[in-house]
Amino acid sequence: TQLLEQSPQFLSIQEGENLTVYCNSSSVFSSLQWYRQEPGEGPVLLVTVVTGGEVKKLKRLTFQFGDARKDSSLHITAAQPGDTGLYLCAGSNYKLTFGKGTLLTVNP
Amino acid sequence: SQTIHQWPATLVQPVGSPLSLECTVEGTSNPNLYWYRQAAGRGLQLLFYSVGIGQISSEVPQNLSASRPQDRQFILSSKKLLLSDSGFYLCAWRGGDTQYFGPGTRLTVL
Repeated sequence: TQLLEQSPQFLSIQEGENLTVYCNSSSVFSSLQWYRQEPGEGPVLLVTVVTGGEVKKLKRLTFQFGDARKDSSLHITAAQPGDTGLYLCAGSNYKLTFGKGTLLTVNP
Repeated sequence: SQTIHQWPATLVQPVGSPLSLECTVEGTSNPNLYWYRQAAGRGLQLLFYSVGIGQISSEVPQNLSASRPQDRQFILSSKKLLLSDSGFYLCAWRGGDTQYFGPGTRLTVL
């Protein structure tokens, strides 16, 4: 069974702070996706990383795929209240395996 | 462009009643389709997936069933709902390595 563990499970910070959330597994994935979900809505894809060691930036969000393609991190710089939501990572092989998510709250 | 629809958006049903949730996809043909359940706003549990009409794979044993009567239609059903069936149900289609999700159905079983 392929498992993805996300940490922390919950994170509450003030506007302007930086944060990093992690997604770890003992399995190797062909690619890994990060999604953000707002209450009452479906998850929306943020990024897909494919190559070990790959770094992708999306405005204030930086995503990194581990060299061994088993783990990933998401770093947010100068967080804003609009960043609030559930961040889910998902690893892809023959199927997509989701982590349980990190629930981020950014307080104004 | 592709779009995915789910209905109803919210549903309140008594224990023991039947269930039918519908998902349709536009703008793509022969998509892989998925049903997930999400409890308490956390992780996604894969319930069923389908690679084509009439082809259903179940990931976990449960009180639910799925059907795919048409290429772009995926239905989640139950004959008798349980309290534990409450949750947020998401339909998704797969494009490459990415899944694209519908808006979800909030089901409350009382």
